[in-house]
Amino acid sequence: EADIYQTPRYLVIGTGKKITLECSQTMGHDKMYWYQQDPGMELHLIHYSYGVNSTEKGDLSSESTVSRIRTEHFPLTLESARPSHTSQYLCASSEYGGNTIYFGEGSWLTVV
Amino acid sequence: DQQVKQNSPSLSVQEGRISILNCDYTNSMFDYFLWYKKYPAEGPTFLISISSIKDKNEDGRFTVFLNKSAKHLSLHIVPSQPGDSAVYFCAETNFGNEKLTFGTGTRLTIIP
Repeated sequence: EADIYQTPRYLVIGTGKKITLECSQTMGHDKMYWYQQDPGMELHLIHYSYGVNSTEKGDLSSESTVSRIRTEHFPLTLESARPSHTSQYLCASSEYGGNTIYFGEGSWLTVV
Repeated sequence: DQQVKQNSPSLSVQEGRISILNCDYTNSMFDYFLWYKKYPAEGPTFLISISSIKDKNEDGRFTVFLNKSAKHLSLHIVPSQPGDSAVYFCAETNFGNEKLTFGTGTRLTIIP
């Protein structure tokens, strides 16, 4: 069982607001990821990190930013939310060299 | 161009029968394949995986089959149970890459 936590689980915010989605894992995994999924669509990788101070853009372009100051923590920030950012955001982690990615429960963001 | 395809968006199966979920891929460089299960409003949960050097992997009620010549992956669930009702995603990657490419998912409904 994976120990990866996301907060908030559900959030409704107004356009233009700044939002940070939190993600923490207690497994000591080096690699962490953010995926985005719209209903009925594929999961798309938007950010990933190989370790502390490492951040990379994923396959899907995103206006969000991430930081990795601590191994266990990988927050995602939207400086100015728009309705087009409404989606489910899934944080995940894996061991270095491991092929199985473990997901958190997800954060549902609605921008009105 | 979608590299991983799950052509059946939904599937209904009677409880106790076999559920067969299919996945086709185009990138012959993939060498590790995974299946994830996702309930609504939750993150994906890892189910079972298989490396390209094998053609079958079994774990309890779940068996994954890999046909490399056909670039086809399938997940068999037998016997199907009501708790198996969820969306199932196949995913592919390369050893050491850890970035997963997901299919669009198949919604499985088990009919009591």
